[in-house]
Amino acid sequence: DVKVTQSSRYLVKRTGEKVFLECVQDMDHENMFWYRQDPGLGLRLIYFSYDVKMKEKGDIPEGYSVSREKKERFSLILESASTNQTSMYLCASVAGTDTQYFGPGTRLTVL
Amino acid sequence: AQSVTQPDIHITVSEGASLELRCNYSYGATPYLFWYVQSPGQGLQLLLKYFSGDTLVQGIKGFEAEFKRSQSSFNLRKPSVHWSDAAEYFCAVGEIGGNKLTFGGGTRVLVKP
Repeated sequence: DVKVTQSSRYLVKRTGEKVFLECVQDMDHENMFWYRQDPGLGLRLIYFSYDVKMKEKGDIPEGYSVSREKKERFSLILESASTNQTSMYLCASVAGTDTQYFGPGTRLTVL
Repeated sequence: AQSVTQPDIHITVSEGASLELRCNYSYGATPYLFWYVQSPGQGLQLLLKYFSGDTLVQGIKGFEAEFKRSQSSFNLRKPSVHWSDAAEYFCAVGEIGGNKLTFGGGTRVLVKP
Protein backbone atom coordinates (compact mmCIF):
# COMPACT_ATOMS: atom_id res chain seq x y z
CA ASP A 1 0.00 0.00 0.00
CA VAL A 2 1.07 3.53 -0.74
CA LYS A 3 1.83 5.47 2.39
CA VAL A 4 1.92 9.26 2.61
CA THR A 5 2.78 10.63 6.01
CA GLN A 6 2.70 14.16 7.35
CA SER A 7 4.86 15.29 10.23
CA SER A 8 2.10 16.61 12.48
CA ARG A 9 -1.65 16.07 12.78
CA TYR A 10 -2.18 19.28 14.75
CA LEU A 11 -0.02 22.38 14.96
CA VAL A 12 -0.49 25.69 16.76
CA LYS A 13 1.75 28.62 15.84
CA ARG A 14 1.87 32.34 16.47
CA THR A 15 1.56 35.07 13.88
CA GLY A 16 4.92 35.80 12.27
CA GLU A 17 6.47 32.43 13.02
CA LYS A 18 8.15 30.39 10.30
CA VAL A 19 6.31 27.09 9.89
CA PHE A 20 7.48 23.89 8.24
CA LEU A 21 5.07 21.16 7.18
CA GLU A 22 6.71 17.92 6.10
CA CYS A 23 5.37 15.21 3.81
CA VAL A 24 6.97 11.87 3.03
CA GLN A 25 5.85 9.21 0.54
CA ASP A 26 7.21 5.70 0.23
CA MET A 27 6.26 4.79 -3.36
CA ASP A 28 8.94 6.55 -5.40
CA HIS A 29 6.33 8.87 -6.94
CA GLU A 30 7.63 11.67 -9.11
CA ASN A 31 4.82 14.11 -8.40
CA MET A 32 3.89 15.59 -5.04
CA PHE A 33 1.32 18.23 -4.11
CA TRP A 34 0.33 20.53 -1.28
CA TYR A 35 -3.31 21.55 -0.88
CA ARG A 36 -5.18 23.52 1.68
CA GLN A 37 -8.72 22.55 2.60
CA ASP A 38 -11.27 25.07 3.83
CA PRO A 39 -15.00 24.53 4.47
CA GLY A 40 -17.06 25.07 1.33
CA LEU A 41 -13.99 25.65 -0.83
CA GLY A 42 -12.82 22.07 -1.18
CA LEU A 43 -9.13 21.54 -1.80
CA ARG A 44 -7.06 24.24 -3.44
CA LEU A 45 -3.61 23.57 -4.86
CA ILE A 46 -0.80 25.58 -3.30
CA TYR A 47 2.31 24.12 -4.98
CA PHE A 48 3.36 20.95 -6.69
CA SER A 49 6.62 19.29 -7.64
CA TYR A 50 7.25 16.90 -10.52
CA ASP A 51 10.84 16.08 -9.66
CA VAL A 52 13.57 16.76 -7.13
CA LYS A 53 14.31 20.48 -6.88
CA MET A 54 11.51 21.22 -9.36
CA LYS A 55 8.39 23.09 -8.29
CA GLU A 56 5.46 24.91 -9.82
CA LYS A 57 2.93 27.29 -8.36
CA GLY A 58 -0.61 26.11 -7.96
CA ASP A 59 -3.70 28.25 -7.65
CA ILE A 60 -2.94 29.92 -4.29
CA PRO A 61 0.86 30.11 -3.77
CA GLU A 62 0.97 33.51 -2.07
CA GLY A 63 2.51 33.35 1.39
CA TYR A 64 3.94 29.87 0.85
CA SER A 65 7.10 28.28 -0.48
CA VAL A 66 8.19 24.67 -0.92
CA SER A 67 11.29 22.54 -0.91
CA ARG A 68 12.01 19.19 -2.48
CA GLU A 69 15.57 18.08 -1.86
CA LYS A 70 14.82 14.34 -1.96
CA LYS A 71 12.29 12.48 -4.08
CA GLU A 72 10.33 11.13 -1.13
CA ARG A 73 10.05 14.38 0.82
CA PHE A 74 8.13 17.57 0.00
CA SER A 75 8.06 20.43 2.48
CA LEU A 76 5.65 23.35 2.68
CA ILE A 77 6.99 26.51 4.29
CA LEU A 78 5.07 29.44 5.68
CA GLU A 79 7.72 32.15 5.88
CA SER A 80 5.70 34.34 8.25
CA ALA A 81 2.50 32.70 9.39
CA SER A 82 -0.69 34.74 9.40
CA THR A 83 -4.12 34.03 10.85
CA ASN A 84 -5.62 33.60 7.38
CA GLN A 85 -3.36 30.59 6.91
CA THR A 86 -5.24 28.70 9.60
CA SER A 87 -6.46 25.67 7.67
CA MET A 88 -6.14 21.96 7.02
CA TYR A 89 -3.12 21.15 4.86
CA LEU A 90 -3.06 17.98 2.79
CA CYS A 91 -0.16 16.45 0.95
CA ALA A 92 -0.55 14.03 -1.96
CA SER A 93 1.66 12.06 -4.30
CA VAL A 94 1.11 10.33 -7.64
CA ALA A 95 2.98 8.44 -10.29
CA GLY A 96 2.20 9.99 -13.66
CA THR A 97 -1.46 10.84 -14.20
CA ASP A 98 -2.96 8.14 -12.04
CA THR A 99 -4.58 8.29 -8.63
CA GLN A 100 -3.34 10.83 -6.13
CA TYR A 101 -2.68 9.37 -2.67
CA PHE A 102 -3.25 11.65 0.29
CA GLY A 103 -1.72 11.97 3.71
CA PRO A 104 -3.90 12.35 6.84
CA GLY A 105 -3.55 16.13 6.89
CA THR A 106 -2.15 18.72 9.28
CA ARG A 107 -4.59 21.05 10.99
CA LEU A 108 -2.70 24.31 11.48
CA THR A 109 -3.95 27.04 13.77
CA VAL A 110 -2.22 30.42 13.68
CA LEU A 111 -2.94 32.62 16.68
CA ALA B 1 -9.83 26.84 -16.87
CA GLN B 2 -11.41 23.73 -15.47
CA SER B 3 -13.87 23.89 -12.58
CA VAL B 4 -16.02 21.54 -10.52
CA THR B 5 -19.34 22.28 -8.86
CA GLN B 6 -20.95 20.19 -6.17
CA PRO B 7 -24.33 21.88 -5.72
CA ASP B 8 -25.23 20.22 -2.41
CA ILE B 9 -23.20 21.31 0.61
CA HIS B 10 -25.02 18.98 3.01
CA ILE B 11 -27.18 15.90 2.47
CA THR B 12 -28.97 13.95 5.18
CA VAL B 13 -30.07 10.44 4.36
CA SER B 14 -31.57 7.61 6.40
CA GLU B 15 -29.60 4.43 6.83
CA GLY B 16 -30.62 1.96 4.15
CA ALA B 17 -31.86 4.65 1.78
CA SER B 18 -30.27 5.44 -1.56
CA LEU B 19 -27.79 8.27 -2.02
CA GLU B 20 -26.92 10.41 -5.02
CA LEU B 21 -24.30 13.15 -4.95
CA ARG B 22 -24.14 15.58 -7.83
CA CYS B 23 -21.02 16.77 -9.59
CA ASN B 24 -20.82 19.09 -12.61
CA TYR B 25 -17.57 20.01 -14.27
CA SER B 26 -16.33 22.48 -16.80
CA TYR B 27 -13.53 21.29 -19.05
CA GLY B 28 -12.68 21.76 -22.71
CA ALA B 29 -11.99 18.14 -23.60
CA THR B 30 -12.62 14.70 -22.15
CA PRO B 31 -11.59 14.91 -18.53
CA TYR B 32 -10.30 12.49 -15.99
CA LEU B 33 -12.88 12.37 -13.18
CA PHE B 34 -12.53 11.22 -9.60
CA TRP B 35 -14.58 10.83 -6.47
CA TYR B 36 -12.81 10.90 -3.11
CA VAL B 37 -14.19 10.39 0.39
CA GLN B 38 -12.88 11.95 3.59
CA SER B 39 -13.97 10.39 6.86
CA PRO B 40 -13.72 12.57 9.98
CA GLY B 41 -10.10 13.26 10.89
CA GLN B 42 -8.77 11.37 7.87
CA GLY B 43 -7.12 12.15 4.57
CA LEU B 44 -8.84 11.58 1.25
CA GLN B 45 -9.45 8.08 -0.08
CA LEU B 46 -10.23 7.34 -3.71
CA LEU B 47 -13.69 5.85 -4.28
CA LEU B 48 -13.56 5.57 -8.07
CA LYS B 49 -12.23 7.19 -11.21
CA TYR B 50 -13.15 7.59 -14.87
CA PHE B 51 -10.54 7.87 -17.58
CA SER B 52 -12.30 6.44 -20.65
CA GLY B 53 -14.51 3.56 -21.80
CA ASP B 54 -17.65 2.45 -20.01
CA THR B 55 -19.41 5.51 -18.62
CA LEU B 56 -20.72 3.63 -15.57
CA VAL B 57 -17.85 3.17 -13.14
CA GLN B 58 -17.84 0.88 -10.12
CA GLY B 59 -15.86 1.80 -7.04
CA ILE B 60 -15.14 0.64 -3.55
CA LYS B 61 -17.66 0.43 -0.69
CA GLY B 62 -20.56 -0.21 -3.10
CA PHE B 63 -20.38 3.18 -4.84
CA GLU B 64 -20.81 3.80 -8.56
CA ALA B 65 -20.73 6.89 -10.74
CA GLU B 66 -21.96 7.68 -14.22
CA PHE B 67 -20.19 9.99 -16.66
CA LYS B 68 -22.63 11.95 -18.84
CA ARG B 69 -20.77 14.03 -21.37
CA SER B 70 -23.91 15.82 -22.62
CA GLN B 71 -24.65 17.06 -19.11
CA SER B 72 -21.02 17.55 -18.00
CA SER B 73 -21.86 15.50 -14.95
CA PHE B 74 -20.31 12.69 -12.94
CA ASN B 75 -22.83 11.85 -10.21
CA LEU B 76 -22.03 9.41 -7.44
CA ARG B 77 -24.60 6.86 -6.25
CA LYS B 78 -25.05 4.18 -3.64
CA PRO B 79 -28.23 2.06 -3.48
CA SER B 80 -28.24 1.53 0.31
CA VAL B 81 -26.33 3.76 2.70
CA HIS B 82 -24.62 2.50 5.84
CA TRP B 83 -23.88 4.60 8.94
CA SER B 84 -20.17 4.36 8.09
CA ASP B 85 -20.81 6.31 4.87
CA ALA B 86 -21.16 9.51 6.89
CA ALA B 87 -18.27 11.58 5.53
CA GLU B 88 -17.41 14.37 3.15
CA TYR B 89 -17.26 13.57 -0.54
CA PHE B 90 -15.22 15.40 -3.13
CA CYS B 91 -15.48 15.30 -6.90
CA ALA B 92 -12.35 16.23 -8.86
CA VAL B 93 -11.37 16.71 -12.50
CA GLY B 94 -7.91 16.20 -13.94
CA GLU B 95 -6.37 17.23 -17.20
CA ILE B 96 -5.37 14.63 -19.77
CA GLY B 97 -1.60 14.45 -20.01
CA GLY B 98 -1.23 16.31 -16.74
CA ASN B 99 -1.51 15.41 -13.10
CA LYS B 100 -3.13 18.41 -11.43
CA LEU B 101 -6.61 18.02 -9.99
CA THR B 102 -9.32 20.61 -9.49
CA PHE B 103 -11.69 19.81 -6.65
CA GLY B 104 -15.28 20.71 -5.97
CA GLY B 105 -16.32 22.27 -2.69
CA GLY B 106 -17.41 18.95 -1.22
CA THR B 107 -20.70 17.46 0.00
CA ARG B 108 -21.05 16.46 3.62
CA VAL B 109 -23.27 13.40 4.11
CA LEU B 110 -25.05 12.76 7.39
CA VAL B 111 -26.66 9.36 7.97
CA LYS B 112 -29.70 9.12 10.25
CA PRO B 113 -30.32 5.84 12.10
